[in-house]
Amino acid sequence: KQEVTQIPAALSVPEGENLVLNCSFTDSAIYNLQWFRQDPGKGLTSLLLIQSSQREQTSGRLNASLDKSSGRSTLYIAASQPGDSATYLCAVVTQGGSEKLVFGKGTKLTVNP
Amino acid sequence: NAGVTQTPKFRVLKTGQSMTLLCAQDMNHEYMYWYRQDPGMGLRLIHYSVGEGTTAKGEVPDGYNVSRLKKQNFLLGLESAAPSQTSVYFCASRKMGQGSRSNQPQHFGDGTRLSIL
Repeated sequence: KQEVTQIPAALSVPEGENLVLNCSFTDSAIYNLQWFRQDPGKGLTSLLLIQSSQREQTSGRLNASLDKSSGRSTLYIAASQPGDSATYLCAVVTQGGSEKLVFGKGTKLTVNP
Repeated sequence: NAGVTQTPKFRVLKTGQSMTLLCAQDMNHEYMYWYRQDPGMGLRLIHYSVGEGTTAKGEVPDGYNVSRLKKQNFLLGLESAAPSQTSVYFCASRKMGQGSRSNQPQHFGDGTRLSIL
């Protein structure tokens, strides 16, 4: 059974700092990995999707990397801003017949002005 | 540009009552999903659909039924609500894309907050 773990559960940083969020998964046979952002009381917004054949994806100040063999992904946020404060979720689609995304429990990020 | 719309946004039910949550997407997506999000448990898949007229069970399907009579709508039903079904329910959809396993991102609605007393 695929399990996704995100460390740390919460992170507080000063504005302008570069930071890394970590995600690990137990079954390396995945189709893709997605990073989402969730604001309080809101749904999830897809940030980046990395296919199993890719090593990284970039969007603006965000860079996500994938090391499938070791079951790890990182989300790098450059020059953090207070508007980046949210919960960041990692999810994978595992090979083997199911369409489901398996989610981690998220990292709650607070960027202080 | 509505995307994924969930109705209602909030609801309070008594144990044993029934209700239907509606999800509508205007992106012509083939795949649709229902998740529940609970503190400490994360998001878990209830049911999903890979096309009109098809449904499949997810991780936590018990106590729920679904229907996909139209491509744009995915309904989640609670026949006899229980306090354990108090949760935030999210609907998502994605485009099928190319190949047998699409790498298209899922798009989420803003959720339905359901309390069962």
